[in-house]
Amino acid sequence: QVQLQESGPGLVKPSETLSLTCTVSGGSISNFYWSWVRQPPGGGLEWIGYIYETGSSNYNPSLKSRVTMSVDTSKNQFSLRLNSVTAADTAVYYCARETTFSIDSWGQGTLVIVSS
Amino acid sequence: DIQLTQSPPFLSASVGDRVTITCRASQGISSYLAWYQQKPGKAPKLLIYAASTLQSGVPSRFSGSGSGTEFTLTISSLQPEDFATYYCQHFNSYPYNFGQGTKLQIK
Repeated sequence: QVQLQESGPGLVKPSETLSLTCTVSGGSISNFYWSWVRQPPGGGLEWIGYIYETGSSNYNPSLKSRVTMSVDTSKNQFSLRLNSVTAADTAVYYCARETTFSIDSWGQGTLVIVSS
Repeated sequence: DIQLTQSPPFLSASVGDRVTITCRASQGISSYLAWYQQKPGKAPKLLIYAASTLQSGVPSRFSGSGSGTEFTLTISSLQPEDFATYYCQHFNSYPYNFGQGTKLQIK
């Protein structure tokens, strides 16, 4: 059973860069699409984008200008960077695995607060 | 972008009831739709994929149907553990948007 664990700062200052890493255990990072999804407090789910093992990626147009994803297959990790953050970026960030037209595995989520 | 509209946004029901949640797409998405259940403080859990395929380990009281632009999630007999928020998500084209959610509450 694959497990995913997010890590990174829980507090980021406005205008700075949010950086999170997801560590995949219990399975290989190869041959799957790896995604980030976020959820503001009390709000719904927003798909941020995905990255494949080759580095191929696709981002939500609503965030595309600020998002960068990367993958490190040697460490079984993938990462999210979101720059120029504002309070609107405060959310629980989930890393997840995409498979047959679904997301079948999720990390527990990490709350990132944007505040000075 | 393809938008998904769920209805109703809130639903009150009792244990043993049969409930149906609808997800409508702004354009056709074939059967590229998944349903998730989310409980407070927890990550979403996959229930249904490809519109009607039950994820392994999910109770058979959950079922999904539909194709094109209209989809439904049905719970045949509500159990206490089913009270949660439910989301649909499409996988037809990027971005893979979610519906806004349906909160299922105890009546």
